[in-house]
Amino acid sequence: GDSVTQMEGPVTLSEEAFLTINCTYTATGYPSLFWYVQYPGEGLQLLLKATKADDKGSNKGFEATYRKETTSFHLEKGSVQVSDSAVYFCALTSNTGNQFYFGTGTSLTVIP
Amino acid sequence: GAGVSQSPRYKVAKRGQDVALRCDPISGHVSLFWYQQALGQGPEFLTYFQNEAQLDKSGLPSDRFFAERPEGSVSTLKIQRTQQEDSAVYLCASSLGVSAGYTFGSGTRLTVV
Repeated sequence: GDSVTQMEGPVTLSEEAFLTINCTYTATGYPSLFWYVQYPGEGLQLLLKATKADDKGSNKGFEATYRKETTSFHLEKGSVQVSDSAVYFCALTSNTGNQFYFGTGTSLTVIP
Repeated sequence: GAGVSQSPRYKVAKRGQDVALRCDPISGHVSLFWYQQALGQGPEFLTYFQNEAQLDKSGLPSDRFFAERPEGSVSTLKIQRTQQEDSAVYLCASSLGVSAGYTFGSGTRLTVV
């Protein structure tokens, strides 16, 4: 069945460091891929998405490219800020979009 | 409303009690989903509605879990005879349709003692 595997945390970085959170997926057909962010005490917020191979999603300095050949959707940011501290979830939906499959989440802490 | 609203925000139940969790989706959103998020885990699908029709309930973990959306708007997730393993955050999400974006609520944190 469809599934997502993402890099385990927690991840601790200094401010302005480069961030990569790895995500790979298993899916039949052509899924859409997402990164969601969850700040402490809040719900999931869509960070970025890509709906077909080679698409790049980007938002707030974060980027991820839909790589079909490696079944990956790694999240990157060139210079993290303290305010980026949160839990990041990689997710996919099938063609029908009837449900999300989430990874287990990666906790990021950025220290000044 | 402007976002997906869930209530209560926190619920403590004694083992064996029944609970009801409410979700108010964004007005006009056809699709509604319930997810369960255990501590330190990603959300897991429970059930999906399109309007008032429950099209997929494959993720409900047992027959103690029941969801309804009688008028195609507000939805209620009911858990009967709660057990400790039911402790989790229950998330609701709504969407205009398959190809549209999903908006999640802040969730209800259920603790069964």
